[in-house]
Amino acid sequence: AQKITQTQPGMFVQEKEAVTLDCTYDTSDQSYGLFWYKQPSSGEMIFLIYQGSYDEQNATEGRYSLNFQKARKSANLVISASQLGDSAMYFCAMREGSGDDKIIFGKGTRLHILP
Amino acid sequence: EAQVTQNPRYLITVTGKKLTVTCSQNMNHEYMSWYRQDPGLGLRQIYYSMNVEVTDKGDVPEGYKVSRKEKRNFPLILESPSPNQTSLYFCASSSGTGLNQPQHFGDGTRLSIL
Repeated sequence: AQKITQTQPGMFVQEKEAVTLDCTYDTSDQSYGLFWYKQPSSGEMIFLIYQGSYDEQNATEGRYSLNFQKARKSANLVISASQLGDSAMYFCAMREGSGDDKIIFGKGTRLHILP
Repeated sequence: EAQVTQNPRYLITVTGKKLTVTCSQNMNHEYMSWYRQDPGLGLRQIYYSMNVEVTDKGDVPEGYKVSRKEKRNFPLILESPSPNQTSLYFCASSSGTGLNQPQHFGDGTRLSIL
């Protein structure tokens, strides 16, 4: 069964430092998509970045990059030069391509950026 | 403006009183989904729909019903709500044609069942 694990319930990081949020996944499918979402204290869910299982390069979107290690089944989010506005809850999610169109989320990591 | 609209945003009600949370999207998306968010548990998928008249169970479907009679609407129905369904609910939609389509979320509905 598909599963997403985020092992860091909370993190504190100094402003301007880089931060890595961990995500490991479990699937028997060869085709799948991995997503990261941000949820600020205001509650909305914001899409950050996507990585496909067949993508050969790690995805990047501005200050966000995804450290994709397929053999280890990990898809860690890296935020460079963190800002106070990065303080939020972050969720990793996966959708398999085998015909089961469920989407599963991890339990999230709450990130606190310290001034 | 492309958006997913949920109503109501907040609801306090009592055990056993049927309620419906509406969800509508204006992006012509095939895929629609309902999630509940509980502290320490992340988001869990309740039901999803790949297209009109096609719905499937997510990981926590018990106590919920959905329907997809039109492409834009995907209401969530609690026929006999119970206190353990107190939660924050999100509706989301995406283009169903590819794995790389992110979910577009509504603003959430905070539901309290007394």
